[in-house]
Amino acid sequence: QSVLTQPPSVSGAPGQRVTISCTGSSSNIGASYDVNWYQQFPGTAPKLLIYVNRYRPSGVPDRFSGSKSGMSASLAITGLQAEDEAEYYCQSYDSSLSGSWVFGGGTKLTVL
Amino acid sequence: EVQLVESGGGLVQPGRSLKVSCTASGFGFSSYWMSWVRQAPGTGLQWVAHIKEDGSAKSYVDSVKGRFTISRDNAKNSMYLQMNSLTVEDTALYYCARRQGSGSSAYFDYWGQGVLVTVSS
Repeated sequence: QSVLTQPPSVSGAPGQRVTISCTGSSSNIGASYDVNWYQQFPGTAPKLLIYVNRYRPSGVPDRFSGSKSGMSASLAITGLQAEDEAEYYCQSYDSSLSGSWVFGGGTKLTVL
Repeated sequence: EVQLVESGGGLVQPGRSLKVSCTASGFGFSSYWMSWVRQAPGTGLQWVAHIKEDGSAKSYVDSVKGRFTISRDNAKNSMYLQMNSLTVEDTALYYCARRQGSGSSAYFDYWGQGVLVTVSS
């Protein structure tokens, strides 16, 4: 059971907009800790997609955007493309117990 | 180009030890915190440990405290994870990752390809 909750799967048709939610609690996102997002294709390492809630590393298309509000964060992908089909993970810090950097359980994005 | 290359994985029996390594290139290794993140087969990601630029500070996830030790050798641009008293729950792909940001704002901007550690009798 992940500390950060993501939907197991989302889907959308090419060109559509999809959002992936990441819900936390008062010891992580709700405590104003930053949220980061990663994209992972099967058999490859994760890749940083969004950092500090809304910033994109160089090379990440502006179709990807991040936001945070209250105890949740969201990753939005506009103009969906077949190449976006991947697993997406959110990540933050959790201050409970002895503190830890935590990930969501991951969301599989399927492009229909 | 930033590159992180892990090595040293393999099959090990429960209760035994294993040490995995990460060799970095393409950036000033000694200027960055570094991390290990693992991914059990078919599951999500789990942060395992961090180590400060000079090795003077280290943090671990609770499930590995007292069993795993993270270390680094800046002269060799390398980081290590010594894993003792391994259990089947430690079976995973272990990623080396470069850490950016400070403290609770940390994130992982570059990742290696991972090294597989399988714990089984």
